[in-house]
Amino acid sequence: DAGVIQSPRHEVTEMGQEVTLRCKPISGHNSLFWYRQTMMRGLELLIYFNNNVPIDDSGMPEDRFSAKMPNASFSTLKIQPSEPRDSAVYFCASSWSGRITGELFFGEGSRLTVL
Amino acid sequence: DQQVKQNSPSLSVQEGRISILNCDYTNSMFDYFLWYKKYPAEGPTFLISISSIKDKNEDGRFTVFLNKSAKHLSLHIVPSQPGDSAVYFCAASWNFGNEKLTFGTGTRLTIIP
Repeated sequence: DAGVIQSPRHEVTEMGQEVTLRCKPISGHNSLFWYRQTMMRGLELLIYFNNNVPIDDSGMPEDRFSAKMPNASFSTLKIQPSEPRDSAVYFCASSWSGRITGELFFGEGSRLTVL
Repeated sequence: DQQVKQNSPSLSVQEGRISILNCDYTNSMFDYFLWYKKYPAEGPTFLISISSIKDKNEDGRFTVFLNKSAKHLSLHIVPSQPGDSAVYFCAASWNFGNEKLTFGTGTRLTIIP
């Protein structure tokens, strides 16, 4: 059974460039989450979708960040323009909202370095 | 504003001994708590959870304790094994089963052989 798949695993880019991170959730899951991991703040929720609809984007740091979920099997997180402070590991997670445990399944992450 | 706090960034424990990881929270609306474990270059994986109607939940070597009055929970690992070396994240949510989790900053546990 395939888990959450993220790409790219590593991205190095220069300040000002556009960055697109991709996520394929587990088949059958209807909720998708984007988290960012930093040393100072741990895992921060950026945005989450339920049935492809954005439910809460209050964690998106600023207008440079945008996320889409055009269908149940694909989501993107875009940063334009990127800045050095965006350097972090970005995780995508999915779940089925009918679960009572609230457990999330995470991908392996995309490590972003902005020079 | 960090609503879930893990004040110890790191912890070293001898193999076979008990590891105790602590977590504090500030939002009294939280009623469901989880621990996740993360190895390097991997995503976090679910370990154990507890709802606010309980004060203890056990799963093999792992036990989570919840003290609602102190807004504090802890994860006990007994006995500690080298494979337990990882970063442990505490997470919380409200409205039991709500998928929106608030995570702490993590504690890196190192088990010394």
